[in-house]
Amino acid sequence: NAGVTQTPKFQVLKTGQSMTLQCAQDMNHEYMSWYRQDPGMGLRLIHYSVGAGITDQGEVPNGYNVSRSTTEDFPLRLLSAAPSQTSVYFCASRQANTGELFFGEGSRLTVL
Amino acid sequence: DAKTTQPNSMESNEEEPVHLPCNHSTISGTDYIHWYRQLPSQGPEYVIHGLTSNVNNRMASLAIAEDRKSSTLILHRATLRDAAVYYCIRYSGGGADGLTFGKGTHLIIQP
Repeated sequence: NAGVTQTPKFQVLKTGQSMTLQCAQDMNHEYMSWYRQDPGMGLRLIHYSVGAGITDQGEVPNGYNVSRSTTEDFPLRLLSAAPSQTSVYFCASRQANTGELFFGEGSRLTVL
Repeated sequence: DAKTTQPNSMESNEEEPVHLPCNHSTISGTDYIHWYRQLPSQGPEYVIHGLTSNVNNRMASLAIAEDRKSSTLILHRATLRDAAVYYCIRYSGGGADGLTFGKGTHLIIQP
């Protein structure tokens, strides 16, 4: 059982470049979300989805886009990377109406 | 607004019990209390949750005050592998409510 899989684990970008962080879960969870974690800080919610075709903004959505075409996948897109987006990104999933989130191992992004 | 208050750090000795406090004085009657922990260089992992009654599982126990304004996560016998950041979170349920993580408590275990 793979759980929540994130790729890549590490990425270095130059300012202005675009990229997509991939997230996939094999638990048939309806809810998926993306968080970012900056040094010494807690996690902040970027975007979330309560099911295929439905997405919504979290606390810090600016500079990020998401889509949810399938139950399994929830990619996070950076259209024009900025140094302020240097962070560790975590994808998570859970069943609807339960609070137990399952997290991926994280993707460490550096924007130069 | 993390909606909960925790000490920044705590220190304990290996093989001793650890009591991690959390204040959630504005909690509503239907909010659950969830605890997660984050080991170094890993994503958070679920520990335990409860509503009104004390709860036990293989990882820890959760003691919730009668007025529900505070709770305590209890690790019965700490090991070095329990060194992590512990997050106490209010969860109001429903599909759209993401969990709001504060800065948590950094638990240091001394051998």
